[in-house]
Amino acid sequence: DGGITQSPKYLFRKEGQNVTLSCEQNLNHDAMYWYRQDPGQGLRLIYYSQIVNDFQKGDIAEGYSVSREKKESFPLTVTSAQKNPTAFYLCASSADRVTNTEAFFGQGTRLTVV
Amino acid sequence: AQTVTQSQPEMSVQEAETVTLSCTYDTSESDYYLFWYKQPPSRQMILVIRQEAYKQQNATENRFSVNFQKAAKSFSLKISDSQLGDAAMYFCAYRSSYTGANSKLTFGKGITLSVRP
Repeated sequence: DGGITQSPKYLFRKEGQNVTLSCEQNLNHDAMYWYRQDPGQGLRLIYYSQIVNDFQKGDIAEGYSVSREKKESFPLTVTSAQKNPTAFYLCASSADRVTNTEAFFGQGTRLTVV
Repeated sequence: AQTVTQSQPEMSVQEAETVTLSCTYDTSESDYYLFWYKQPPSRQMILVIRQEAYKQQNATENRFSVNFQKAAKSFSLKISDSQLGDAAMYFCAYRSSYTGANSKLTFGKGITLSVRP
């Protein structure tokens, strides 16, 4: 089955540590996105990528980094510079940046700083 | 920059009744796409309905329909014959039809819909 997979579902991090969230899709989609969801804040865009080896900052990129070495993969690293990393993180992908195509979402990763 | 506003944080509807969720957006573009997504307690995001801005006809999907008012920049979602399974958080989203940096998907803050049996 085609889809988008995020792992792990739950992640715990100690303060001061970097942690990487995985996002893989087998839908052959060009565009991939990372969103952060906090209560009452909706979904806020962290980073997005439209093609391999290229990505752009979203609205809240500080303290995060990404890479897009393969079309299928778009990992997100939460660095120690992110002051409030505890949140629910959603990865999404879409087929084409021009046509009217929906974004497909993974099941999310809940990150908790302990 | 485009913005999406959902001013009602919560709404409630009686089962089998109709409810309308409001959304407004701000853009200087003439061609774009609008979406409503549903997020149930499982937190899996599900596309409910989408609208192309160049189409005057309002989109419909079974019990879900939209009222798209382009001049007013309004995009409301109507749910008819509400069911218990409709209880979820609903997000309105905007996407430019242009390529490049503006092609990102922008979401509102969401509205929590509860359905009373």
